[in-house]
Amino acid sequence: AQSVTQLGSHVSVSEGALVLLRCNYSSSVPPYLFWYVQYPNQGLQLLLKYTSAATLVKGINGFEAEFKKSETSFHLTKPSAHMSDAAEYFCAVNRAGTYKYIFGTGTRLKVLA
Amino acid sequence: KAGVTQTPRYLIKTRGQQVTLSCSPISGHRSVSWYQQTPGQGLQFLFEYFSETQRNKGNFPGRFSGRQFSNSRSEMNVSTLELGDSALYLCASSLDRVDTEAFFGQGTRLTVV
Repeated sequence: AQSVTQLGSHVSVSEGALVLLRCNYSSSVPPYLFWYVQYPNQGLQLLLKYTSAATLVKGINGFEAEFKKSETSFHLTKPSAHMSDAAEYFCAVNRAGTYKYIFGTGTRLKVLA
Repeated sequence: KAGVTQTPRYLIKTRGQQVTLSCSPISGHRSVSWYQQTPGQGLQFLFEYFSETQRNKGNFPGRFSGRQFSNSRSEMNVSTLELGDSALYLCASSLDRVDTEAFFGQGTRLTVV
């Protein structure tokens, strides 16, 4: 069965510091991987996606993620945190051939002034 | 281009009642999925519809049901509401391609009292 694991339900960083949100997946076949962001009382917005074209994926708002098959990881990074990045972030997997997205438990990012 | 529209945004129902939630997908999207989001369980997949047929189903009791109309609009119904059904219900639509992302609505916040 597929799953994603997000390490750290809460992460705090200072404004201007590196953001690193961790996601590991388990899948018996090459997956499609996604990072979504959710602001309070809102739906989910796509940050970026991996669909096997390139291992380093750049997304919106300065975020990027690197697919590492050997480590089964798809960690999300941003070089410099901004106050507006405070939100909850979800990693999701969608195995080829299905339309069922499996989400991680989410990581709430807090940005300190 | 209009996004995914969910109505209503907020609902308060009494235990034992039933409720119907509505979702209008992005124009051209024929796949519609539903998710339940709670603080304890995170995002859980309910079901996915394509061309008026349920294509994928999550692990929820039969009280949760859905349908899709010929214009791709979808409804989900929960009968005999329980307190534990209180949640944010999210609808997502996507193209019929496994490498594409899901676009989410803002959700319907259901409170069961």
